[in-house]
Amino acid sequence: GENVEQHPSTLSVQEGDSAVIKCTYSDSASNYFPWYKQELGKRPQLIIDIRSNVGEKKDQRIAVTLNKTAKHFSLHITETQPEDSAVYFCAARDAGNMLTFGGGTRLMVKP
Amino acid sequence: DTGVSQNPRHKITKRGQNVTFRCDPISEHNRLYWYRQTLGQGPEFLTYFQNEAQLEKSRLLSDRFSAERPKGSFSTLEIQRTEQGDSAMYLCASSLLQVSTDTQYFGPGTRLTVL
Repeated sequence: GENVEQHPSTLSVQEGDSAVIKCTYSDSASNYFPWYKQELGKRPQLIIDIRSNVGEKKDQRIAVTLNKTAKHFSLHITETQPEDSAVYFCAARDAGNMLTFGGGTRLMVKP
Repeated sequence: DTGVSQNPRHKITKRGQNVTFRCDPISEHNRLYWYRQTLGQGPEFLTYFQNEAQLEKSRLLSDRFSAERPKGSFSTLEIQRTEQGDSAMYLCASSLLQVSTDTQYFGPGTRLTVL
C-alpha cells in the first residue's frame, strides 16, 4: 500500500519568514495530494490540493509543488503569521481512492 | 451548520463495553469515510462507503469494528468489546465524487477513551 513520509516533524519560524514542509510517497499510481491544517482540538481542514497532472498550484500565501518523477510534494507558506501555527498533514490518494496521511508537521510561528 | 457532524463528541467507556458513533455527512455527498487519529499522528483510514455500499476496509479494522450506512446518508461505526488500545479520535469525512474532484471534508471527531 501507499506510504507517505513527512518532514520535518516540527518547524519553528519567525513571523514573516517562509515555511516549507516536504512529503514523499511510494505509490506511483497516486494521483491526488491534499494538505490539511489541524488546530488543537479541531477538525482537519483542507487548505490546498494538487492533482497529478499539475506541477504547481498557488493560493495567496500558500503554494504546493509536485514532482511525480521523484514522488515528492511540498507545501510552501510565505509571510507566515501567528495564526498559521498548527499541525499540517500531507496526504496521497491511491488508485483505490484511499487517502494515506503523513505523520504531520507542527508549525510554530513566533511573533 | 452544513458541514459534517459527529455524535457524540466525547465518549468514555469501560473496557469490554460496546460503543457506537454516528456521522452525518454533508448533504448529497455520496462518499463517507471513517478514520482513526491518535495523538501526534495523522488520520489512519478505516473504511469508506459510496452511497450505502462499503467499498474498502483497512487491515486496521478488526472484526470488533463494524460500520454501516444503511440509506446512503448517515453512518454508524460500532466497536464491540472495547480495548484500551481503541482510545483515539474517530474522524468521519465526506466527499462528492465528481469527474475531477473528490475533496474530503472532515467532521469534528468523536474522542473515545477506554478505561
